Amino acid sequence: KNQVEQSPQSLIILEGKNCTLQCNYTVSPFSNLRWYKQDTGRGPVSLTIMTFSENTKSNGRYTATLDADTKQSSLHITASQLSDSASYICVVSAVFGNEKLTFGTGTRLTIIP
Amino acid sequence: ETGVTQTPRHLVMGMTNKKSLKCEQHLGHNAMYWYKQSAKKPLELMFVYSLEERVENNSVPSRFSPECPNSSHLFLHLHTLQPEDSALYLCASSQEIAGVGEQYFGPGTRLTVT
Repeated sequence: KNQVEQSPQSLIILEGKNCTLQCNYTVSPFSNLRWYKQDTGRGPVSLTIMTFSENTKSNGRYTATLDADTKQSSLHITASQLSDSASYICVVSAVFGNEKLTFGTGTRLTIIP
Repeated sequence: ETGVTQTPRHLVMGMTNKKSLKCEQHLGHNAMYWYKQSAKKPLELMFVYSLEERVENNSVPSRFSPECPNSSHLFLHLHTLQPEDSALYLCASSQEIAGVGEQYFGPGTRLTVT
């Protein structure tokens, strides 16, 4: 069964600090892995998409890594800001002709001043 | 703004009411999706439309009825809902349903069934 597990479930850090969110998956055949940011009461917004051959991708202060061998990904946030408070969702794609997405439950990140 | 809009943003309805959720995408995409997001659960895919044809229905109860009159608009008609249907309903679109396609989400409709 395709699954995506994220840890921690929630995280609170001080503004300006760095943090790393984890994602483990059992999805095949693997196509790509995405990280989304979802603000409270809003829809998810894509941060990065990585395919099998990519092992790191950055989007500003967000850096995602992918280890396709161990089926793990991480999202590192540098110099956190209050606006980073959100849920971060890991999504893994399998392709059987049409694309199938498996969503994690997300990590709820809270940045405190 | 992601180019996908949803109305209403909030909806409270009784179990005997009939209401509709609307989604519109301004991205020229061919595929549209309805998702349900409940607290502490992953997003659940409900329906997929490609070029106005329903291509996927993930065992969704018949009290949810989708409609896609054209590739820019998607509706979700609701009737005789249950309290456990209370959730955030998200619409998304992508260029195609095949291959590596980024999905763009709308802001969602927060539905409360009383």
